[in-house]
Amino acid sequence: GDSVTQTEGLVTLTEGLPVMLNCTYQSTYSPFLFWYVQHLNEAPKLLLKSFTDNKRPEHQGFHATLHKSSSSFHLQKSSAQLSDSALYYCALSDSGGSNYKLTFGKGTLLTVTP
Amino acid sequence: GGIITQTPKFLIGQEGQKLTLKCQQNFNHDTMYWYRQDSGKGLRLIYYSITENDLQKGDLSEGYDASREKKSSFSLTVTSAQKNEMAVFLCASSIRENTLYFGAGTRLSVL
Repeated sequence: GDSVTQTEGLVTLTEGLPVMLNCTYQSTYSPFLFWYVQHLNEAPKLLLKSFTDNKRPEHQGFHATLHKSSSSFHLQKSSAQLSDSALYYCALSDSGGSNYKLTFGKGTLLTVTP
Repeated sequence: GGIITQTPKFLIGQEGQKLTLKCQQNFNHDTMYWYRQDSGKGLRLIYYSITENDLQKGDLSEGYDASREKKSSFSLTVTSAQKNEMAVFLCASSIRENTLYFGAGTRLSVL
């Protein structure tokens, strides 16, 4: 079955340093990958979604590249901001099977300090 | 834009009690979901519904029932609350392209 692995449960960074949150996946078919972000006391919301044409999605300074060879979709940002502190989920939708279901990773809590 | 409304925001129950959580969306989305959020365990799918009166079990459906009587609403029932259980239940809706829109959640505590 489908699975998503986020190896870091907690990442603490100093403001201004680069961000990289890891995401690897297993899927039977060619999946769509997503990053969702949840700020404290808010609902999760979509941050990025992979494209079918291998373009690199970007939003709010964050970007992620789908590497099918390594089954990865790591989230990156060149310079962390205090407002980036949040819970980040990587998720997968299987395009070949039931693509109504999203499988989520366990999440990475990013804390950015001054 | 639309909104997903979950009620209640906080739910305190007793062990063994049947508890119902409600979700309404005005996006006119066909598909709706119930996820459970536990710290360190991510979001786990309980039930989803592709259209009105459709129900599909997720990975965590045991101990839960769901109902989708209208396109705009999707309810979840905890059939027998477990003592000391604490979790957040998130409702979401989507169009086929799978961008999920989430509600703010219902926080459950069982005494």
